[in-house]
Amino acid sequence: GQNIDQPTEMTATEGAIVQINCTYQTSGFNGLFWYQQHAGEAPTFLSYNVLDGLEEKGRFSSFLSRSKGYSYLLLKELQMKDSASYLCAVRDRSGTGFQKLVFGTGTRLLVSP
Amino acid sequence: EAGVTQFPSHSVIEKGQTVTLRCDPISGHDNLYWYRRVMGKEIKFLLHFVKESKQDESGMPNNRFLAERTGGTYSTLKVQPAELEDSGVYFCASSLGGQDYGYTFGSGTRLTVV
Repeated sequence: GQNIDQPTEMTATEGAIVQINCTYQTSGFNGLFWYQQHAGEAPTFLSYNVLDGLEEKGRFSSFLSRSKGYSYLLLKELQMKDSASYLCAVRDRSGTGFQKLVFGTGTRLLVSP
Repeated sequence: EAGVTQFPSHSVIEKGQTVTLRCDPISGHDNLYWYRRVMGKEIKFLLHFVKESKQDESGMPNNRFLAERTGGTYSTLKVQPAELEDSGVYFCASSLGGQDYGYTFGSGTRLTVV
């Protein structure tokens, strides 16, 4: 089956660094995505990993270990506007053979002054 | 470029009524996906179109849900008759396809069945 786990909620202070972890189990792994979603808005793409290692994009970095079924999203120099839900999603092609995104429940990050 | 547009943004209907949700993908995106988030749960896949063809509808909950994409442009998702458990946020996403990772999501339609 498919299973993606991430913490429900995290808090951090402005200027700090926060790491949001995601573990997954899927038989047809074909990439892992991180999305940011503010309340009432569309999920917006943050990062994509398909090979092991770290992908850095400005204040945001994402890491993947396929052998461990593990990823994290690292947010540096936190700003108030980073308060949002962060969704971990795996592109999976098991079952029907067609690719689809399988999401975790999301981690709500609250950044305080 | 214009993003993925969904209409309406909110809909409140009574149990037993019919509702039709619409999604306009990014122009040129052959792949269109419908997802749903029920309160407190994760976003779940419903179905996938490539142009006007349904590639994968394994996530559709039951036959009260009907999705169409005539002409391979916009898509509609009709729920008939709606039940209380159909309440949630329905997201549409589009992409070019292949290993492209450019999935673009719409803001969703919040459906409340009372």
